[in-house]
Amino acid sequence: DSGVTQTPKHLITATGQRVTLRCSPRSGDLSVYWYQQSLDQGLQFLIQYYNGEERAKGNILERFSAQQFPDLHSELNLSSLELGDSALYFCASSGDAGTHYNEQFFGPGTRLTVL
Amino acid sequence: KNEVEQSPQNLTAQEGEFITINCSYSVGISALHWLQQHPGGGIVPLFMLSSGKKKHGRLIATINIQEKHSSLHITASHPRDSAVYICATGSARQLTFGSGTQLTVLP
Repeated sequence: DSGVTQTPKHLITATGQRVTLRCSPRSGDLSVYWYQQSLDQGLQFLIQYYNGEERAKGNILERFSAQQFPDLHSELNLSSLELGDSALYFCASSGDAGTHYNEQFFGPGTRLTVL
Repeated sequence: KNEVEQSPQNLTAQEGEFITINCSYSVGISALHWLQQHPGGGIVPLFMLSSGKKKHGRLIATINIQEKHSSLHITASHPRDSAVYICATGSARQLTFGSGTQLTVLP
């Protein structure tokens, strides 16, 4: 158990809908990262938050947004869903510096299926 | 743009064999990560290294910064080592992932 929690574990929805994925980092970790893992693209970095502020942005679509709350949990919002958004979404957390030099601990993932 | 290439894509071994998975990248990096993804999907960090060699149990990771290459070795492989092994390069802004190596260890 990494100490990172994600809810829900599974999510099935329809095209055009909006969903919210939730992540709670390990106790004491200030950085949260979001990743998407699809069959054709592999693991891709989406976005990072550090202590409530956006720190780095990767291949995140404009239909997707995220935020980190004062209690450090984070939410990833996916809207106008398309079939191609079906994937495993992971969040990870790391300790202090908020860069990619630190070991990251991954949550169990949310499997999103868009029908 | 940093490209991360892993080889082989798939690897089947007999229990007890010595296994090597390779990772090459195209630009200078700050750190290289090795991750293990279990059949159920969970991802576990194995190593983070920026130079030399690290060992943890039967796993050894090495990196050659000049050649932009890293290897993950598993000694005395066991069926429970069956998983996808992913290397990822770390820069100031993000991790870039290889496509993974599917390892199957047969009893």
